[in-house]
Amino acid sequence: DIVMTQTPLSLSVTPGQPASISCKSSQSLLQSDGKTYLYWYLQKPGQSPQLLIYEVSSRFSGVPDRFSGSGSGTDFTLKISRAEAEDVGVYYCMHGVDNPPTFGGGTKVEIK
Amino acid sequence: QLQLQESGPGLVKASETLFLTCTVSGGSINSNGYYWGWIRQPPGKGLEWIGSIYHSGSSYYNPSLKSRVTISADTSENQFSLKVTSVTAADTAVYYCVRDHGNWAMDYWGQGTLVTVSS
Repeated sequence: DIVMTQTPLSLSVTPGQPASISCKSSQSLLQSDGKTYLYWYLQKPGQSPQLLIYEVSSRFSGVPDRFSGSGSGTDFTLKISRAEAEDVGVYYCMHGVDNPPTFGGGTKVEIK
Repeated sequence: QLQLQESGPGLVKASETLFLTCTVSGGSINSNGYYWGWIRQPPGKGLEWIGSIYHSGSSYYNPSLKSRVTISADTSENQFSLKVTSVTAADTAVYYCVRDHGNWAMDYWGQGTLVTVSS
């Protein structure tokens, strides 16, 4: 199985300040179709996870543009340009290149 | 607006079979290009993909669970179901049903249902 490693485990962010989460995969997520199937999800407290980013950098419908994804191969980053109170929760990266798709361990973000 | 809703027993005895159903509204599970799947999350822990099914009946399972899991679809009821046999305490989790947009892009999630395995 591909191992997804996220850092940091937790993050405390001041409202209006940027935040960054790293995700590394144990093998390249670049596929023969030229796409890289790396996703980011946010699980707000008491809620189901919600898709934020697909294919490394594309925002899902309704996701604010303060969220951005970048990276290639095995190294990926989720950035929040200006954190807001509603961004609190656990962020997960996940690959979609083979069976089984696996998630990172999660990064808990709190807003100060 | 697509909605998914899990239903089923919240308590299952060890060694018995867990059975959950996901009812889809606001869209059809017959839609081309979408898979329908299950993900679980043990209390306080991370996420694990269980498996997915296409409306044609093709199904795919996590190899770690494949021997105990079956996912089926009822297109007439716009539902799909999960069966896990020989459950143990390790199967205690919140179970989510999801829509998979392909390549495991899970874009819609149900609210989740907690299933506890009792001894």
